[in-house]
Amino acid sequence: DVKVTQSSRYLVKRTGEKVFLECVQDMDHENMFWYRQDPGLGLRLIYFSYDVKMKEKGDIPEGYSVSREKKERFSLILESASTNQTSMYLCASSALTPPNEKLFFGSGTQLSVL
Amino acid sequence: AQTVTQSQPEMSVQEAETVTLSCTYDTSENNYYLFWYKQPPSRQMILVIRQEAYKQQNATENRFSVNFQKAAKSFSLKISDSQLGDTAMYFCAFMKYSGNTPLVFGKGTRLSVIA
Repeated sequence: DVKVTQSSRYLVKRTGEKVFLECVQDMDHENMFWYRQDPGLGLRLIYFSYDVKMKEKGDIPEGYSVSREKKERFSLILESASTNQTSMYLCASSALTPPNEKLFFGSGTQLSVL
Repeated sequence: AQTVTQSQPEMSVQEAETVTLSCTYDTSENNYYLFWYKQPPSRQMILVIRQEAYKQQNATENRFSVNFQKAAKSFSLKISDSQLGDTAMYFCAFMKYSGNTPLVFGKGTRLSVIA
């Protein structure tokens, strides 16, 4: 069964800490995405990557960075966590070649920054 | 830039009844995909249905169907014979017809199915 795995389901961190959210997919997908989900705001794109070592900013990249050293892994980094980054983070992947429109999601990481 | 608007933050429906969730979008693209995703309390996003813009026929998946009006840029989801398991957040999403463009999501509609 195809899978997108996020390393933590729940995470509690302190303000100012460096936080790593890891995402691994086993489908050999080229595209990987990080979204942030907040009540009343839906899903907002933080960063995406369409190839190893490639990254593109989404709609809300401020305060975040990403790393894609291997095709199957896409990491989201909060350099210095702040309380306004408390949120649910969703990772997703998709294939590059048609039919490529189906997005596979991880089960999310609920991050609380105290 | 593309935008997706879901004007109903919350809705409820009686079990076995039919409910329609609204979605409008704004784009200058001619070829694109539209989607409805469901997110139950488990948080796992589940693809409900998708529509290719070049197809005039409305997509259907069992109890789920869409009303796609390309000129009006409208993409509503109809759930027939609602079941308790349909209780979830529903997100409408748009994607350009390209190999590496991300989905743009609406803000979601919380649907409650009442016994």
